[in-house]
Amino acid sequence: GESVGLHLPTLSVQEGDNSIINCAYSNSASDYFIWYKQESGKGPQFIIDIRSNMDKRQGQRVTVLLNKTVKHLSLQIAATQPGDSAVYFCAERDSNSGYALNFGKGTSLLVTP
Amino acid sequence: EAGVTQSPTHLIKTRGQQATLRCSPISGHTSVYWYQQALGLGLQFLLWYDEGEERNRGNFPPRFSGRQFPNYSSELNVNALELEDSALYLCASSLQGFSNQPQHFGDGTRLSIL
Repeated sequence: GESVGLHLPTLSVQEGDNSIINCAYSNSASDYFIWYKQESGKGPQFIIDIRSNMDKRQGQRVTVLLNKTVKHLSLQIAATQPGDSAVYFCAERDSNSGYALNFGKGTSLLVTP
Repeated sequence: EAGVTQSPTHLIKTRGQQATLRCSPISGHTSVYWYQQALGLGLQFLLWYDEGEERNRGNFPPRFSGRQFPNYSSELNVNALELEDSALYLCASSLQGFSNQPQHFGDGTRLSIL
């Protein structure tokens, strides 16, 4: 079946460095992608989304890149801060199959001082 | 603006019992989604409600059911609870159901089955 996966389960970066979290997806019909941040004891927090007609979108300190050719999604966090430590999930949706999100298992980001 | 609120925060049940979880969406949001997050796993889609109707359901047995009320709040019912139902149940809402609007999540209900 279709799946969304992550290249690395954990990522450790130093405070102030840039972080890149990668995500592979397998459904070529996916047309909407979204990144969430989940801190311990809380629900997922929306970070940024991107539609399939775009290949890049920027937010505050974050950039999402979409490469539909290789079905790859990445989240870049600039000047990573200790408060960025969390689990990050990518999710995709094929709107023709409904509007539920299909989530990957998550990448744990640890920011060290 | 208040976010998505879920109650109760924690719920402890025994096998065979029934559980009811509640969700209030962000004001103005008409779509409500339910997801299950088992320990160490990603989020699995359960149910989607929009304008009071069930629009889609995930690969879960019929003992997982729910409804959406006229004020767009929602409840998830789980009957005949099993040990493997222990998980964090997350509710999300979005502005419109049939569009690419981001889903915003509550902090979940932790359901523990003894």
